[in-house]
Amino acid sequence: DQQVKQNSPSLSVQEGRISILNCDYTNSMFDYFLWYKKYPAEGPTFLISISSIKDKNEDGRFTVFLNKSAKHLSLHIVPSQPGDSAVYFCAASPGGSNYKLTFGKGTLLTVNP
Amino acid sequence: DAGVIQSPRHEVTEMGQEVTLRCKPISGHNSLFWYRQTMMRGLELLIYFNNNVPIDDSGMPEDRFSAKMPNASFSTLKIQPSEPRDSAVYFCASSFHATEAFFGQGTRLTVV
Repeated sequence: DQQVKQNSPSLSVQEGRISILNCDYTNSMFDYFLWYKKYPAEGPTFLISISSIKDKNEDGRFTVFLNKSAKHLSLHIVPSQPGDSAVYFCAASPGGSNYKLTFGKGTLLTVNP
Repeated sequence: DAGVIQSPRHEVTEMGQEVTLRCKPISGHNSLFWYRQTMMRGLELLIYFNNNVPIDDSGMPEDRFSAKMPNASFSTLKIQPSEPRDSAVYFCASSFHATEAFFGQGTRLTVV
């Protein structure tokens, strides 16, 4: 039973355009959401996060949107660059004193020059 | 800071052998996590420690798996005996309270 789902295994976009990666979750106890980026042969690296009290968080080219009623979040990358090509993981935790992260299976983003 | 350090980076072992994976978390972090990544199941949490105490080990697949954290700067994940289906990349991660977790580079385990 997957509590965090990334339904698109892969996404391909042109350099300079917007990349939108989606994530759905089923556990209403999740309170804190994160996106990680992973290059081959490396560990995941933290990208951006959002707390459930917000619906948007922005950091440079990266923006995460949260729709709690729909249990849906998305990561927007604008403009996309070839160096953004990686696997992106969505993760969620109950927050508070529970630091356990549940990950989606990831979306492979390819940004074509 | 050197980040989360895992060793070895690669391990090839024969079925039935004991395997020990090691992790040094980032200094000052109080939570430590062991994850396993496979094609089929993605990134799964095996166990996590808070202040060196195991908090949730519900992801540990079988009794063949055990994890320890004897102090704040070291943790091990042991598989005994190992089986081919244990082949995966094992990640260790650490965090400070409820902030984001920082991952090591992983140990690629192959059991033949």
